Amino acid sequence: QVTLRESGPALVKPTQTLILTCTFSGFSLDTTNMCVSWSRQPPGKALEWLARIDWDDDKFYSTSLKTRLTISKDTSKNQVVLTMTNMDPVDTATYYCARIPVGFGYSMDIWGQGTTVTVSS
Amino acid sequence: DVVLTQTPLYSPVTLGQPASISCRSSQSLVHSNGNTYLSWLHQRPGQPPRLLIYKISNRFSGVPDRFSGSGAGTDFTLNITRVEPDDVGVYYCLQATHFPPYTFGQGTKLEIK
Repeated sequence: QVTLRESGPALVKPTQTLILTCTFSGFSLDTTNMCVSWSRQPPGKALEWLARIDWDDDKFYSTSLKTRLTISKDTSKNQVVLTMTNMDPVDTATYYCARIPVGFGYSMDIWGQGTTVTVSS
Repeated sequence: DVVLTQTPLYSPVTLGQPASISCRSSQSLVHSNGNTYLSWLHQRPGQPPRLLIYKISNRFSGVPDRFSGSGAGTDFTLNITRVEPDDVGVYYCLQATHFPPYTFGQGTKLEIK
């Protein structure tokens, strides 16, 4: 059974750096054509894709946020970490990680439950 | 970046009746390899999204055959033949053809009348 679970601080102050961890089971990021992505959803708003890391360590970022994002993986721990710098209240959102097996049209087939992050002083 | 425009944004539907959601892309979603990477996801209130359809018309594992996807190029449609109570929530289209980045539509909220 494939599961993903996001973890990180529920509250961060403006200008701080956010570090989120996605811990997964049921698959390996060492497997060819396997990827993990992060997306977010501000309260009452639409989904927004943030970043993706692939089995071969290729990394891809949102056009508008790429200067603030870093994605990395630790395959021995089955974890993917997303770092977002210079947090602002507009970054308040639920952050999701999801698996992307290339065979399903590069779609996010299994999602974590999400972790809610509030940016406030 | 590719822009996906969904219509309608709000869809009140009677139980047992069909529903249809449109997703229009600002560019053709046909990849150079011939595939079209357009997916549909469903998000129930308070839940994470779940994959329904990938590559226009392929149902993901466990998705009822009441759900179907169609379209080509820049115009795509998600159809539900007979709406059930569990179908409420927000539906998103998602493109991966012109990656990076992925882009989502703005979402269509389906409610029961």
